[in-house]
Amino acid sequence: DAKTTQPNSMESNEEEPVHLPCNHSTISGTDYIHWYRQLPSQGPEYVIHGLTSNVNNRMASLAIAEDRKSSTLILHRATLRDAAVYYCTGPLVAGGTSYGKLTFGQGTILTVHP
Amino acid sequence: NAGVTQTPKFQVLKTGQSMTLQCAQDMNHNSMYWYRQDPGMGLRLIYYSASEGTTDKGEVPNGYNVSRLNKREFSLRLESAAPSQTSVYFCASVRTGQDTQYFGPGTRLTVL
Repeated sequence: DAKTTQPNSMESNEEEPVHLPCNHSTISGTDYIHWYRQLPSQGPEYVIHGLTSNVNNRMASLAIAEDRKSSTLILHRATLRDAAVYYCTGPLVAGGTSYGKLTFGQGTILTVHP
Repeated sequence: NAGVTQTPKFQVLKTGQSMTLQCAQDMNHNSMYWYRQDPGMGLRLIYYSASEGTTDKGEVPNGYNVSRLNKREFSLRLESAAPSQTSVYFCASVRTGQDTQYFGPGTRLTVL
């Protein structure tokens, strides 16, 4: 099965930018790349998604490599409330119809220092 | 607009007992999902329902059954609970044509 690879943990200081990488080398050409985050004791929440072009929203930016084998979630100014587990995910199941199914790895634990 | 709601929030069962986890969404979404999350792990898909009246197995369906009662509600049943089913269970929904999933707050289940 296709899967994502992310670092287990990253640290940042408050007000600094954070770049969270993800490798998804077996992604198919039509699968979107999604990022979710999970705050302590909560369900995951959507952050951003994209297909080929870089994407921006009020929460973050998503930079997608030209070959689509990797992407980077960018938090422009980390706050203490951004401390969470960040998942790079998507219907990264080889072949077939995804019906929106998401495949989650272990994610990256982001620690933000005051 | 409550989004995705789950009941109960917490539950303790003895091995062999049965129970049903309830999930409801008020966003008129077509597809609904059940995931489980074990400590330090990502989410794993148990079952999903692409639309009302259909259900399909996910990655870890053994020991579970589901019912898509109507468009709003999708329940997960444990017929004979086992300690290996101790986990946090999340329900999610998505509107057809979009891939953004909305998750509920989770049910923390302990099987003794």
